[in-house]
Order: sequence, then structure tokens, then C-alpha cells
Amino acid sequence: EPEVTQTPSHQVTQMGQEVILRCVPISNHLYFYWYRQILGQKVEFLVSFYNNEISEKSEIFDDQFSVERPDGSNFTLKIRSTKLEDSAMYFCASSDQTSGRVEQYFGPGTRLTVT
Amino acid sequence: RKEVEQDPGPFNVPEGATVAFNCTYSNSASQSFFWYRQDCRKEPKLLMSVYSSGNEDGRFTAQLNRASQYISLLIRDSKLSDSATYLCVVNRYYGQNFVFGPGTRLSVLP
Repeated sequence: EPEVTQTPSHQVTQMGQEVILRCVPISNHLYFYWYRQILGQKVEFLVSFYNNEISEKSEIFDDQFSVERPDGSNFTLKIRSTKLEDSAMYFCASSDQTSGRVEQYFGPGTRLTVT
Repeated sequence: RKEVEQDPGPFNVPEGATVAFNCTYSNSASQSFFWYRQDCRKEPKLLMSVYSSGNEDGRFTAQLNRASQYISLLIRDSKLSDSATYLCVVNRYYGQNFVFGPGTRLSVLP
């Protein structure tokens, strides 16, 4: 069964450093997403991406965040200058969106710890 | 008012019990509805989509009431492996973000 993969599973970084989180969405999916979940809190939407551009973003997704699809398979989230409050699980998701199917499938997540 | 609300629980039930979770959503423009389950420190996994006519998948039954903006999930014959947090999720349009509820924690006890 196809699945979304993410690397690394855990990233520790110092405040102010840049991090890149990587995702490989399911191969025939067209929409890609990043969500985050701070420990003990609910899952929050960051950004959606379709046809090589951002289609929607939340208030959380400010100028320090960026996304890219550098090739045909990877989808990345960059945090330019990390803050302590960026510590969270970051989930990538993808969806098909054809034939009315809007279900999103999530990767296993990257746990980001900012010290 | 929060966009998606759920009773956080925890619901502690014995094996074999039937348990029901409710969820309300505030945005009447919401189009699609789902239940996901999330195990501790893992990703959300799709349990089932929720259709207006109601739908069943084995021991799981989901219902949608658009007039009351309310979604439910019924689990029959609970198993130990059903212990998880159940997330109510809605979205408005194709390709748009999911809005997650805070989740309801279920513990099935031997």
C-alpha cells in the first residue's frame, strides 16, 4: 500500500538555525500539505500546495516558513530561523482529489526539537 | 466558538462495550467529514469518511447531521487495540486544509 514518507524522524536544532523537513507524498497524489502538532495540542494546518504553488496557508505559516517541490517526488518545508516555539511534530500529507476523493494521508511525522 | 469541538474524554470502557463519540462543527460551509485515529506520538490515520446517509465499516458506524452540524462515531464490541485518540476532521473545499478537532481519548480496558 502506498504511503507518505518523511525524513528525518527526529531533528534537533539550535534556536536561529535553519531546518529542512522532507516528505515524499504518495506518487499519484496532486495536493500536498504540512501540518504541525505541538505536544498535547491539536493538529494545526500550515500550508497546502498544488500545481507547484501554495494554494492556502494559515496564520502560523509566516515569512520564516517556505515550501518547495524541488523535483518530481520530494516536498519540503523549510524553517528559516527556528524558535523555541517551533518545537512540534510536523506531518506531511497528500491527497488525490480525483473522483471526488478528498481524504488526506499522513506521513509518520518529523519531531522537531529546538533548543 | 471553536470550528470543531469534541469531548476530550477520556472514555474508559471495558472490552466488548459500545462507545459513541460526538463532534460539532461551526462552519456550515463544511463539505467533507472524517474520523481519524491517532495513537500516541504517531500520525493521524484515516478511520472513515462520513457521508450524509451514514456509513458503516465493520464495528464502526459514522453519522452526519448537517442540520445540527453534528457528526458521530459508534464503536461496537470494543477491542483493546481501539485505544487511541479519535479525531473529528472537516474541510470546506477540495484541496483545502483539514480542520481538526482536539480529539477524544478512548481507553479500552481488559
